[in-house]
Amino acid sequence: SQQGEEDPQALSIQEGENATMNCSYKTSINNLQWYRQNSGRGLVHLILIRSNEREKHSGRLRVTLDTSKKSSSLLITASRAADTASYFCATDLIQGAQKLVFGQGTRLTINP
Amino acid sequence: SQTIHQWPATLVQPVGSPLSLECTVEGTSNPNLYWYRQAAGRGLQLLFYSVGIGQISSEVPQNLSASRPQDRQFILSSKKLLLSDSGFYLCAWSLLAGVAYEQYFGPGTRLTVT
Repeated sequence: SQQGEEDPQALSIQEGENATMNCSYKTSINNLQWYRQNSGRGLVHLILIRSNEREKHSGRLRVTLDTSKKSSSLLITASRAADTASYFCATDLIQGAQKLVFGQGTRLTINP
Repeated sequence: SQTIHQWPATLVQPVGSPLSLECTVEGTSNPNLYWYRQAAGRGLQLLFYSVGIGQISSEVPQNLSASRPQDRQFILSSKKLLLSDSGFYLCAWSLLAGVAYEQYFGPGTRLTVT
């Protein structure tokens, strides 16, 4: 099964609300990354959190990492219609030989 | 700045025909290169990755092959396409920096096998 699994699979909220997406993984990691994909486009890197970090911020994004629970969350505050996209977590396995393992993604829809 | 190109953007090919998708990176040297496939509404499946010219690692046994004839060129090929080869193909590059690195993706190729 996938190393990273996002939850929920789909999320629909009103503009201005906060959106929270979760990611769980199975094995030890060096770091965890979040990516965004607009429909029919390539993925764009959002943020990277290392295994020895617990929280990281970038603009309206906040990422947390709990290595004891093997989970991460991505919070988007004050959502905008332009945030509508799919969001993927990706893990860099300690023995992953420079590879990332992507989850199935959360489809986020922001309603105006 | 670095740029990654993929072409074509869309492709419709009959079953049994050959395939060649090309990916090139500009503005960096000795990148790691990756080919992914994404089924509709799904995550990314790593197909191949390369850490140098002529060095290809295959992740999933399948009908596809990859080659890296030049430092910044990565090609995905097939001799005979199957219906199951349809999907969205993404190329990506990264530079190894310690144990943490980001991947940068191309715009993708939408392949439909009919």
